[in-house]
Amino acid sequence: QLQLQESGPGLVKPSETLSLICTVSGDSISNSTYYWGWIRQPPGKGLEWIASFYYSGNTYYNPSLKSRVAISVDTAQNRFSLQLSSVTAADTAVYYCARHSYPRGATPGLYYYYFMDVWGKGTTVTVSS
Amino acid sequence: QSVLTQPPSASGTPGQRVAISCSGGISNIGSNTVHWYQQLPGTAPKLLIYSNDQRPSGVPDRFSGSKSGTSASLAISGLRSEDEADYYCATWDDRLKGPDVVFGGGTKLTVL
Repeated sequence: QLQLQESGPGLVKPSETLSLICTVSGDSISNSTYYWGWIRQPPGKGLEWIASFYYSGNTYYNPSLKSRVAISVDTAQNRFSLQLSSVTAADTAVYYCARHSYPRGATPGLYYYYFMDVWGKGTTVTVSS
Repeated sequence: QSVLTQPPSASGTPGQRVAISCSGGISNIGSNTVHWYQQLPGTAPKLLIYSNDQRPSGVPDRFSGSKSGTSASLAISGLRSEDEADYYCATWDDRLKGPDVVFGGGTKLTVL
């Protein structure tokens, strides 16, 4: 059964870089036809997509965050990471990682088919000095 | 301000049918399929409907989705107390700067 688990520091100082890891079990990031991504949710607010990548293809970013976001993949550990630089209090949120899947009959890799079917439980990150 | 517009709240009594709307534009809902997520209090979102009207395994058929033009809708029939949650619509938006995922602002459903 596929599981995703977010991990990382719960407290980050303003202007520093937030670094989170999503560890995947039950599937291989590199041997799949899925997208993998990050989503966040500020306290009391709605969901905000951060970025998603296809292992053998493209990475897509939220335009409002793109200049501060980096995504990396560690296939040996079967995990992927999020780095968000120059954080402020506005980056305080619960951060989720998720797998994107595609419907039966659709062509793998075409982004517009994909939806987030499996989510991690989320990890809370607070930006404060 | 979310790209997709949802009513902030909705309510109904047990057994009733409620509908939650999601309004967008040509570059998002008008061009791509819509998905719906349910978020129970204190938990991660869960996929409820994908590709406009498809239910993942395990989702009761009380939940249904539809799409027309640049709008989509989630309907819940036979409302139950455990349906009290936040509901989000989402899709891809084909912008000039590159495609990205957009969410609605969410609708808080209260079961009276």
